[in-house]
Amino acid sequence: GAGVSQSPSNKVTEKGKDVELRCDPISGHTALYWYRQSLGQGLEFLIYFQGNSAPDKSGLPSDRFSAERTGGSVSTLTIQRTQQEDSAVYLCASSRDSGGSGANVLTFGAGSRLTVL
Amino acid sequence: QQQVKQSPQSLIVQKGGISIINCAYENTAFDYFPWYQQFPGKGPALLIAIRPDVSEKKEGRFTISFNKSAKQFSLHIMDSQPGDSATYFCAATPTGANNLFFGTGTRLTVIP
Repeated sequence: GAGVSQSPSNKVTEKGKDVELRCDPISGHTALYWYRQSLGQGLEFLIYFQGNSAPDKSGLPSDRFSAERTGGSVSTLTIQRTQQEDSAVYLCASSRDSGGSGANVLTFGAGSRLTVL
Repeated sequence: QQQVKQSPQSLIVQKGGISIINCAYENTAFDYFPWYQQFPGKGPALLIAIRPDVSEKKEGRFTISFNKSAKQFSLHIMDSQPGDSATYFCAATPTGANNLFFGTGTRLTVIP
């Protein structure tokens, strides 16, 4: 597609439920990133994929968070047993390549707004 | 730990005025400094970026000023327009890194 597509755009769930957020990156982009945007907290890095592998999972806040990427394309971020503090906008970005300063222009999707009641 | 510190948190400027947003960092390995602009309901989009080998970069009304010794960089928006009202994020990354470290954002409002 022309841009990074994320779904759902909005998700309201009850505490304790599992949620899945989907990201469809720009075709041909090998690198994919998940960030979390909380009010007043800026953009918090969660995880990065190069192809289907995730060399950097350092930002995942807890073991309730996991992500996978299949076929070097679509990625799913899963949050198990959601908590109220998980409420945020989850942003996905992709780039043509990874690493190297300046070569890494991230194109972001519009985000998935998660509200945990 | 916030790797990139950004201020102010919010900014209100009259149309035609100059908007200035400041960022500071500690990691001397950072060597690429982009600014992203985010409109409500949209993801951030790259606005302008600079490398530390230059002290200033200008694109239209947007200018990045970079002070390597002070480890600070700033975004200047000249002749600010209501359409510039958005949240601006500075970011930084070191050579070989796989992700950007973002500031906490500045919500700019330009009053007509």
